[in-house]
Amino acid sequence: QKEVEQNSGPLSVPEGAIASLNCTYSDRGSQSFFWYRQYSGKSPELIMFIYSNGDKEDGRFTAQLNKASQYVSLLIRDSQPSDSATYLCAVGGYQKVTFGTGTKLQVIP
Amino acid sequence: DGGITQSPKYLFRKEGQNVTLSCEQNLNHDAMYWYRQDPGQGLRLIYYSQIVNDFQKGDIAEGYSVSREKKESFPLTVTSAQKNPTAFYLCASSIGGHFQETQYFGPGTRLLVL
Repeated sequence: QKEVEQNSGPLSVPEGAIASLNCTYSDRGSQSFFWYRQYSGKSPELIMFIYSNGDKEDGRFTAQLNKASQYVSLLIRDSQPSDSATYLCAVGGYQKVTFGTGTKLQVIP
Repeated sequence: DGGITQSPKYLFRKEGQNVTLSCEQNLNHDAMYWYRQDPGQGLRLIYYSQIVNDFQKGDIAEGYSVSREKKESFPLTVTSAQKNPTAFYLCASSIGGHFQETQYFGPGTRLLVL
């Protein structure tokens, strides 16, 4: 079992729809959770971080964390073609931070 | 503007050659990191430094070396011992040295072997 798992996609959604990206992790001691956006050929850019169970909203983005289920998600409302990118989930603990392989999102105009 | 710079953007290495990738930050962050990204794989940690004049090996340190003589700078040398160096190299920094903290990335260096 991978330490951080993401569906590689591509996930295709029409413009204006909600995109839902999911991530599961194996280390129950994990404390911090990050979502990065990476455009093709570019470096990862931080979208959101979340530390506590529940939802955290920032503009069109909502991060959801459920530590009991070891599950973190990112919702993107009113998806735009400019949101088309690979989204990396990262999980931080005492010893290290582990990155998932990313989910490729395609927003269709 | 505060940020992380990496140079060069592209780097070509010949057989048996050592090459050095530059990473500089003006965020006043204590910790700096080097990652390698290969297609279909997550970012893998090469080395990290939580304080000046100290650094630790990550998961894939073999064939690489680093130094941290200044807080702002964390260069990575890819030695001839690294047999498969072609990858996208990413430098990151965080305020402190805890892995729970947010890491911010530079623009990356793409290393290719001639």
